[in-house]
Parts: sequence; structure tokens; C-alpha cells
Amino acid sequence: DTGVSQNPRHKITKRGQNVTFRCDPISEHNRLYWYRQTLGQGPEFLTYFQNEAQLEKSRLLSDRFSAERPKGSFSTLEIQRTEQGDSAMYLCASSRDRVGSGQPQHFGDGTRLSIL
Amino acid sequence: KNQVEQSPQSLIILEGKNCTLQCNYTVSPFSNLRWYKQDTGRGPVSLTIMTFSENTKSNGRYTATLDADTKQSSLHITASQLSDSASYICVVSGNFNKFYFGSGTKLNVKP
Repeated sequence: DTGVSQNPRHKITKRGQNVTFRCDPISEHNRLYWYRQTLGQGPEFLTYFQNEAQLEKSRLLSDRFSAERPKGSFSTLEIQRTEQGDSAMYLCASSRDRVGSGQPQHFGDGTRLSIL
Repeated sequence: KNQVEQSPQSLIILEGKNCTLQCNYTVSPFSNLRWYKQDTGRGPVSLTIMTFSENTKSNGRYTATLDADTKQSSLHITASQLSDSASYICVVSGNFNKFYFGSGTKLNVKP
């Protein structure tokens, strides 16, 4: 179990630029989640995948955000035309099966995005 | 409205002391409740998971309780250590893979 890996750990960019983050889940986990977390708050759900299928997207995920999980392995989260309000920690989590059945989500250490 | 409220927002205790963190929720239907520990700059790590039928669950010095009738949970930390300084997040799962996160309690253990 090598854990959930996220890259990069930090990203600083100018407003208006595009950014892409990568998440490598635990290999046998078929579910993958993206969250956004701001300082002093709990994670906010963005979207999740079961294998390669994106099953749900939060209303927080505006048209500028897109997530993919080709081949059901790693996932990418892209933000286009970044805005100041996009500054946050972006967390990825994976789980083996339906999390509601009791399987815990394993989180990565996140990508911290700072918009100048 | 499905919500998870945690208290206190922050807490300072001396090393070696015990403390209890609270989580109240209004999520319905209820599937399970998790407590996570999140160190600064790191992702959350699962401490305990409890389903409707479980009243208490321990993980070392961490003991979680659940009262599904009153929709309250607590996380008790015994004999605190400096390494317990972190944010503790309560997460309640509803139906269809829905998760509701609390804002967390920031614990600071001082020597």
C-alpha cells in the first residue's frame, strides 16, 4: 500500500492561467474523489469516479473545472482561467468499494494552489 | 438540511490531559460516521468508522462514541501527546455515497 499520491504538492500561478493536478490512487481502489479545502474548513466535495466513469459532480465544480480518469487509474483535475477564489488545497481520496459500506477513504496530502 | 457541526472550533490542552471533541449531525438517512485526523499540510487520516449499530469504537488512545438517537458523536483523546496536535474532522455518510464534512476542531497540545 503506497498510499494516494498527488502532484504537484504546491502550485503558484497567476490569475487567468490554467493548472492541472494529478492524483494516483491506491492501485486496487476503484473509487476516486476530489475535494477542495480552504483554511479552517473541512473538505468540500467536488466530484467522484467509479473506475473511469465520473458519477457525480458538485455544483462547486464550475465550467472552468474538469476532471478525468482515463482507464480508471490516475485522475487529473484541470482548472481553466484560474481566479483568486480558486486558491485552496485540492485533496484526492480513493476507496476500494462503496464508502457507505464502511470502507474508509484514503486521502493524499493534497495540492496547495495559490493564485497571485 | 444535512449538516455536521463540530465543537469546539479550537482547543488548547496540556500534554498528558484528556479531551473530548463533539460532533452533532442532521444527516438523514444515516449510513456511518467517521473521525479523521488531519495534520497541518497533510491529508486527513481515518481514525474510526462507526455504523448505526455501534456505540463506541477505540483506536489506541482515541475512543469514539455514537448516539444515533440524538445524532451526536464524540471523540475522546486520552493522555494527550504533542503529536495529537492537529485538526479532527467528523464526516457523516448518507445514502448514495454522499458525505458531509464538519469544519473540524483544531487541537493544540502544549508541553
